[in-house]
Amino acid sequence: GAVVSQHPSRVICKSGTSVKIECRSLDFQATTMFWYRQFPKQSLMLMATSNEGSKATYEQGVEKDKFLINHASLTLSTLTVTSAHPEDSSFYICSAREGQSYEQYFGPGTRLTVT
Amino acid sequence: LAKTTQPISMDSYEGQEVNITCSHNNIATNDYITWYQQFPSQGPRFIIQGYKTKVTNEVASLFIPADRKSSTLSLPRVSLSDTAVYYCLVGEFHTGGFKTIFGAGTRLFVKA
Repeated sequence: GAVVSQHPSRVICKSGTSVKIECRSLDFQATTMFWYRQFPKQSLMLMATSNEGSKATYEQGVEKDKFLINHASLTLSTLTVTSAHPEDSSFYICSAREGQSYEQYFGPGTRLTVT
Repeated sequence: LAKTTQPISMDSYEGQEVNITCSHNNIATNDYITWYQQFPSQGPRFIIQGYKTKVTNEVASLFIPADRKSSTLSLPRVSLSDTAVYYCLVGEFHTGGFKTIFGAGTRLFVKA
């Protein structure tokens, strides 16, 4: 099946710094990529949807200037958490969709801890 | 987007069949129904997808009645390793593109 990777798998950073998370589709071209955030014992919350070559569409309540999303190619999307604070500590998961498929392929997630 | 409602948790024993029902009363004509499994600190894993009637694969069956307002994921003989959270999603194409929203999910506990 289709594989989506994320890097890094876990990261610890100091408050006020920025962190970049990469999401790659390894064996297919991802027309659309999605970024989710998941807090402990909670469901996944959709943060934004990005289409290759265009600006991301953010969900209500998600600050686009804090969570910068770049989908520069059909196999790579990046999420940059700018000026991270402890409350940004969470599990960040990306997913990718190929063409007009209804199926999403999820990455393994990135655990971000802000100290 | 159609909202989904599932039981918060379920318990079962090894070897039993488990049926998890999801309600999606406002499902639209173009919506497909997809179920995912998630283990702690991992991304969701695709289980099965369907539009209507019954779909079966090597790990599960999905039953969708004619009105499509609900769906039931059936896991035939669960094992301890099936302990996980199961999410029912409906996804559709709309003016902004394709989108799915996760509901709360069902925490399945399989006991020995």
